[in-house]
Amino acid sequence: EAQVTQNPRYLITVTGKKLTVTCSQNMNHEYMSWYRQDPGLGLRQIYYSMNVEVTDKGDVPEGYKVSRKEKRNFPLILESPSPNQTSLYFCASSFSFPGPRGPQHFGDGTRLSIL
Amino acid sequence: DAKTTQPNSMESNEEEPVHLPCNHSTISGTDYIHWYRQLPSQGPEYVIHGLTSNVNNRMASLAIAEDRKSSTLILHRATLRDAAVYYCILNNAGNMLTFGGGTRLMVKP
Repeated sequence: EAQVTQNPRYLITVTGKKLTVTCSQNMNHEYMSWYRQDPGLGLRQIYYSMNVEVTDKGDVPEGYKVSRKEKRNFPLILESPSPNQTSLYFCASSFSFPGPRGPQHFGDGTRLSIL
Repeated sequence: DAKTTQPNSMESNEEEPVHLPCNHSTISGTDYIHWYRQLPSQGPEYVIHGLTSNVNNRMASLAIAEDRKSSTLILHRATLRDAAVYYCILNNAGNMLTFGGGTRLMVKP
């Protein structure tokens, strides 16, 4: 089954404790992206990757890091989490060619609470 | 970035058609119109997309105005499972999706 898998689904942690949210897709997609969703603000893009070893900032990249060492994986790293990063996070993927216009497939979300 | 405008909420009766409008008056010639929906406690789900011509798939139909400044997502027979937030999005060249507030569709039995 084609899917985007995020782990963990839920996490409660404390300020400053490094954490990683993993994202994996099995559709051989070139493009992967991270979004956060907050009440009243909709979904906002954090980082995206057009292909392996190619990443770029989205609208709200501060406080986050990503890496794309393999095509299927795109982890989101919070080096020193703060309470304002408490949010619902979604990973998404899609084909980039014949043009980055195709549908994006989203994971089920990771709810992070930073105390 | 070009923005979209959608009503905050709409109601429909089960088994009736639903027309969800979207205005995008500043759309550029290369922007695709995408629709996604988000069911409670789930990630957004792709519904349909198009550029200039009307599009149909198993989930819905997309009607695009001739001047492309507006579009309408059509659910032919609403079911209770269609209750969700529907997002109309313009897809730019970087493949970044900018989600607005969407339309919350409520379906009454």
